[in-house]
Amino acid sequence: GAVVSQHPSRVICKSGTSVKIECRSLDFQATTMFWYRQFPKQSLMLMATSNEGSKATYEQGVEKDKFLINHASLTLSTLTVTSAHPEDSSFYICSAPGTGGLTEAFFGQGTRLTVV
Amino acid sequence: SQQGEEDPQALSIQEGENATMNCSYKTSINNLQWYRQNSGRGLVHLILIRSNEREKHSGRLRVTLDTSKKSSSLLITASRAADTASYFCVPYGGSQGNLIFGKGTKLSVKP
Repeated sequence: GAVVSQHPSRVICKSGTSVKIECRSLDFQATTMFWYRQFPKQSLMLMATSNEGSKATYEQGVEKDKFLINHASLTLSTLTVTSAHPEDSSFYICSAPGTGGLTEAFFGQGTRLTVV
Repeated sequence: SQQGEEDPQALSIQEGENATMNCSYKTSINNLQWYRQNSGRGLVHLILIRSNEREKHSGRLRVTLDTSKKSSSLLITASRAADTASYFCVPYGGSQGNLIFGKGTKLSVKP
């Protein structure tokens, strides 16, 4: 199956700094990628949909200036958490639909962000 | 967009037993997908069943779909400790732009 590579898998950063998370589709092109966050023992919450060549679409309540998304190419989408605070500590996961559209989604390994 | 509701929220069984998880949804679907998430990892697509199918098998997995009741079930036979994970059902209507996840069923298989 298709592979989505996400890194880093873990990152610890200081309050006020920015962190970039990368999500790459390794063997297919992804014009769309989804970014989720997941708090402990909670489900995935969709944050935004990134589209290659255009602006990302953010879900209600997600600050677009805080969570910067760039879909620079057909194989790379990045999420930058700017001016991170401890409440941004979470598990962030990206996914991309397969060639058949949303009949199957391929997920990255996730990034555990801890802001101290 | 709609999400599935998994039941039970948590399930604990012994290795070798079968595990059954149920899913209910609200509106008509194009297909329904099941995903697994190991603790601290991304999700893995397990199986997809289309709205015109009633049952589907994949290895030790058996999925049923009853569109009249808007429900689905996932059966894992002869469970193993490695099946310990959270399982999510995702009803997909065909027109929505993304997949929405519910709270899932947390399965614990004890050796």
